[in-house]
Amino acid sequence: GAVVSQHPSWVICKSGTSVKIECRSLDFQATTMFWYRQFPKQSLMLMATSNEGSKATYEQGVEKDKFLINHASLTLSTLTVTSAHPEDSSFYICSASVQRVREQYFGPGTRLTVT
Amino acid sequence: AQTVTQSQPEMSVQEAETVTLSCTYDTSESDYYLFWYKQPPSRQMILVIRQEAYKQQNATENRFSVNFQKAAKSFSLKISDSQLGDAAMYFCASQSADGLTFGKGTHLIIQP
Repeated sequence: GAVVSQHPSWVICKSGTSVKIECRSLDFQATTMFWYRQFPKQSLMLMATSNEGSKATYEQGVEKDKFLINHASLTLSTLTVTSAHPEDSSFYICSASVQRVREQYFGPGTRLTVT
Repeated sequence: AQTVTQSQPEMSVQEAETVTLSCTYDTSESDYYLFWYKQPPSRQMILVIRQEAYKQQNATENRFSVNFQKAAKSFSLKISDSQLGDAAMYFCASQSADGLTFGKGTHLIIQP
């Protein structure tokens, strides 16, 4: 149980284009979903937290207009990187929880490469 | 705000031996959870063990156990009978109402 999927697992896009990453909870309803960014050989940094039907809460320093998060249902959250640039290349990981302060279940991650 | 500190960027252990990974944290919360996650080369985050702060008993999961010292805000992970499959990055994390805060990680190398 508690499986989270991400799609795509790897995406390459050209500078200036937008790319959408999906995060789905497959066998449970997630009240809260989290988006993390991880650079090579570094730890996970929380970008934003989203609750179903509400606007996402972004961490300090994360551009809301660049990283659009939509949590339209209890099983789906999307992260759209708008006008991507090479510095946005990174590994993006989502997680989901049933209750906000309890255990988070992680997706397998999405590698984004912007050329 | 929470902080989590892992002071060992890299650790190496012989196969079948025991290794301890260190973690200290700081939080103003009274209700929080602590976790150790493993991230193998696939980069999938895998929960190794979790500890509820209100529980005095140290959590144990097979070969993995923790030494939770609440007053000292210390949460170390002991891996017994190390196996080649244990090689990975290990992240200590603290969770409260604001979500998860991760340490910088410890790269664990298993020597055959």
